[in-house]
Amino acid sequence: GEDVEQSLFLSVREGDSSVINCTYTDSSSTYLYWYKQEPGAGLQLLTYIFSNMDMKQDQRLTVLLNKKDKHLSLRIADTQTGDSAIYFCAESPTLHGATNKLIFGTGTLLAVQP
Amino acid sequence: EPEVTQTPSHQVTQMGQEVILRCVPISNHLYFYWYRQILGQKVEFLVSFYNNEISEKSEIFDDQFSVERPDGSNFTLKIRSTKLEDSAMYFCASSEDRVTDTQYFGPGTRLTVL
Repeated sequence: GEDVEQSLFLSVREGDSSVINCTYTDSSSTYLYWYKQEPGAGLQLLTYIFSNMDMKQDQRLTVLLNKKDKHLSLRIADTQTGDSAIYFCAESPTLHGATNKLIFGTGTLLAVQP
Repeated sequence: EPEVTQTPSHQVTQMGQEVILRCVPISNHLYFYWYRQILGQKVEFLVSFYNNEISEKSEIFDDQFSVERPDGSNFTLKIRSTKLEDSAMYFCASSEDRVTDTQYFGPGTRLTVL
């Protein structure tokens, strides 16, 4: 079945790099996404990667995709206290019908220590 | 920058009452979604909507739930007879492009059923 797993918690020091990992089960997923949720706020789309790509870089964010192992990671360079939030990985299973639901992971709470 | 808006931000209701959660998707988007997040749990897909009809719904979306696009801007989720277990954060999302399916989320409505 469709399932997305993430580690629950990551603590880093300000200025260090953060790496948040995710594993998914549906190998047919065409796109994979990273969302950020700050306390009391909605889900903010950070970035996404097409399944035929291995890597995507967007400023401080680097997404790595290992399709063979069904492993996705998000690296945040020079992590700042403002990056403290919950990060959700999501997959979009095979297109069927007119729309496509997102399957979310459990979320990883990133705590950045000053 | 255009954004998805939701009202109210917090709704408190008595068990058995009907509630309507409202969303205004981004204006040129054609695909609409509702998700929910029970406290401490994953974000779960409820329903997707396109071309004035439901495209896909999850097992959670039973006969107590309905969606409607009453005019050109609003997208509503109605729960006919709320149960305690309906207490959750409800997120609306919209997307312009079904292929990349980058879904943009609203800030959510926190529903508390007493």
